[in-house]
Amino acid sequence: QVQLQESGPGLVKPSQTLSLTCTVSGGSISSGSFFWSWIRQPAGKGLEWIGRIFTSGTTNYNPSLKSRVTISLDTSRNLFSLNLTSVTAADTAVYYCARFYYHIDVWGKGTTVSVSS
Amino acid sequence: DIVLTQSPDSLSVSLGERATINCKSSQNVLLSSNNKNYLAWYQQKPGQPPKLLIYWASTRESGVPDRFSGSGSGTDFTLTISSLQAEDVAVYYCQQYYDNPITFGQGTRLEIK
Repeated sequence: QVQLQESGPGLVKPSQTLSLTCTVSGGSISSGSFFWSWIRQPAGKGLEWIGRIFTSGTTNYNPSLKSRVTISLDTSRNLFSLNLTSVTAADTAVYYCARFYYHIDVWGKGTTVSVSS
Repeated sequence: DIVLTQSPDSLSVSLGERATINCKSSQNVLLSSNNKNYLAWYQQKPGQPPKLLIYWASTRESGVPDRFSGSGSGTDFTLTISSLQAEDVAVYYCQQYYDNPITFGQGTRLEIK
């Protein structure tokens, strides 16, 4: 059974870059027709899709974040990563990594990232 | 972007009674070439990630109790819990995967009356 685990700093300073990693276990990130995705959720609020990457390296990003987001894949280490540049307090949220088939069938537990000086 | 509007925002239902949550899409999410509605439903309990309940608008995910069902097509969808159990207290989200960006409804909070 595939499992996902987010990791990265829990605190980032304003204007800096938020970097998170999602490690995939129980299966190969290269197998199957899946997208690997990042989704975030500010405290007490709803879900916002950030973007996704296919095993070929093709990416789709939310236009609202596109200028600041990069999602990349490391098949040798079976993980994918999120970089979000020029962060502000509005980027404070729980960040989830997830596996998309068409719907999202596997979620990580989430990691809280706060943006504060 | 496709906007999904859920109603109601919150819902109180007695144990054993039916709960109904609606999701209206600003655009059609039915792909005519395969007759599939690109809509899913998720359940989120406090401190947990969302859990997939329903996909293709009406297909129940493996392991999900059969009291959960999804219906609708095109732009109007419904999640029904036929007999509410205490463990169903959660926030429920619809999500469309018909077009980028992927979008979610604002969520419906379900409580016990």
